[in-house]
Amino acid sequence: GESVGLHLPTLSVQEGDNSIINCAYSNSASDYFIWYKQESGKGPQFIIDIRSNMDKRQGQRVTVLLNKTVKHLSLQIAATQPGDSAVYFCAENNDMRFGAGTRLTVKP
Amino acid sequence: DAMVIQNPRYQVTQFGKPVTLSCSQTLNHNVMYWYQQKSSQAPKLLFHYYDKDFNNEADTPDNFQSRRPNTSFCFLDIRSPGLGDAAMYLCATSRGKGNYEQYFGPGTRLTVT
Repeated sequence: GESVGLHLPTLSVQEGDNSIINCAYSNSASDYFIWYKQESGKGPQFIIDIRSNMDKRQGQRVTVLLNKTVKHLSLQIAATQPGDSAVYFCAENNDMRFGAGTRLTVKP
Repeated sequence: DAMVIQNPRYQVTQFGKPVTLSCSQTLNHNVMYWYQQKSSQAPKLLFHYYDKDFNNEADTPDNFQSRRPNTSFCFLDIRSPGLGDAAMYLCATSRGKGNYEQYFGPGTRLTVT
């Protein structure tokens, strides 16, 4: 995913709802993808990763889906909590670059 | 328990006055990265070291330099900061290149007056 320097897309959800954050990547040769969470004033933090030989990977409350055909990645957060409010970035390993990011806001 | 440490957390410098930001790691990782992040944007990779091998991004201005004297430390030197260089600077490490996650420091917020 290439950063295009635009205002961050935003997603606002109600506490307890599920969140889906999307990311498109450009390099079809990329074979490893990571989702990072960045809270205000902090560095990005690893959430979950997926390799290109997988379509889906689950964590504790998070699931990452990979669609190599359309070069699309999604992060699903179940039962979203206020502590999930942050900016979420996808990154691909080939060029170590970040996608544009999505700001998730969770309303109590 | 901090694994990637950045000092200082906040740095104010004057226009044109050289400034150095530092990063250290306790992970013994081979790769260290420097990113620039401006408000509401994604981190932008400036360069990285794989051991002592320096890799500069094509669009990183010459004004930005880096040094890695040993495995643990990496420095970002801005030779003549301009107002447009005000940003958060993030240091990250990874065990290797490719299929490894990055560990980020808390960042240094640079203000240029």
